[in-house]
Amino acid sequence: GNSVTQMEGPVTLSEEAFLTINCTYTATGYPSLFWYVQYPGEGLQLLLKATKADDKGSNKGFEATYRKETTSFHLEKGSVQVSDSAVYFCALMTLSSGSARQLTFGSGTQLTVLP
Amino acid sequence: DAGVIQSPRHEVTEMGQEVTLRCKPISGHDYLFWYRQTMMRGLELLIYFNNNVPIDDSGMPEDRFSAKMPNASFSTLKIQPSEPRDSAVYFCASTPAGGSYNEQFFGPGTRLTVL
Repeated sequence: GNSVTQMEGPVTLSEEAFLTINCTYTATGYPSLFWYVQYPGEGLQLLLKATKADDKGSNKGFEATYRKETTSFHLEKGSVQVSDSAVYFCALMTLSSGSARQLTFGSGTQLTVLP
Repeated sequence: DAGVIQSPRHEVTEMGQEVTLRCKPISGHDYLFWYRQTMMRGLELLIYFNNNVPIDDSGMPEDRFSAKMPNASFSTLKIQPSEPRDSAVYFCASTPAGGSYNEQFFGPGTRLTVL
C-alpha cells in the first residue's frame, strides 16, 4: 500500500534560516507528490506538487524535487519568514481503479519561525 | 468562487448526542472527501464520493459514522451517538474530475468537541 513518512516536528527556526523538511514515500505505481500547508485555524492548502520523477515543484520560495531513486520529496526554503509558521504535510496520489484522486498524507510537521 | 464551505465551524455537544456536519463543495467538482484530523492519528480519510456516489468508506471508524451526498452541492457527515473520542477537526475537500492529479481544495474545517 501507499505510505508517507515525514520528519517529525516540531521544528523551530529563526527568521532567514534555511529550512528542510524530509519526506519519503512508498507507493505502488508512479505517484504524484504534494506538499500542503495548514495555517492556524484553517484548512489545508496546496503549496507545490510534482507529477513525475526529477520534476521540481516550487511556490512562495519553497521547493521540492521528486527523487524516484531515493523515493523522496524533501521540502526546502532558503530563508524562512515568521509568516511561514504552519504545519506542513507531504502527500502522494496514485491513480488506480477504485481510488482515483485519493491522497495519502504524512503525519505533518509543525514549523515555528521566530523573529 | 467561495471555496469549500463547511458548517458549523465549531460544535460542542455531549456524549450520546447526534452530530451533523455539513459541506458544500466547489461548484463543478465531482469528488468530495471527508477527513478527520487529530493529534494522535493525524489526517485520516473517512470516505469519498464521486458524482454523489460513495466510492470508498473504508476509513469510516464505526457504524456510528455515516455520510451522505444527496446532490452535487451538499454532503453531510453524521455521528450518532457521539463519543468523546470523536473529538477532532473534520475537513471536507473537493476536486474536479478533469485531468489527472488535481489539487484537492479543503474547507476550513469543523472543530468538534464531545464532552
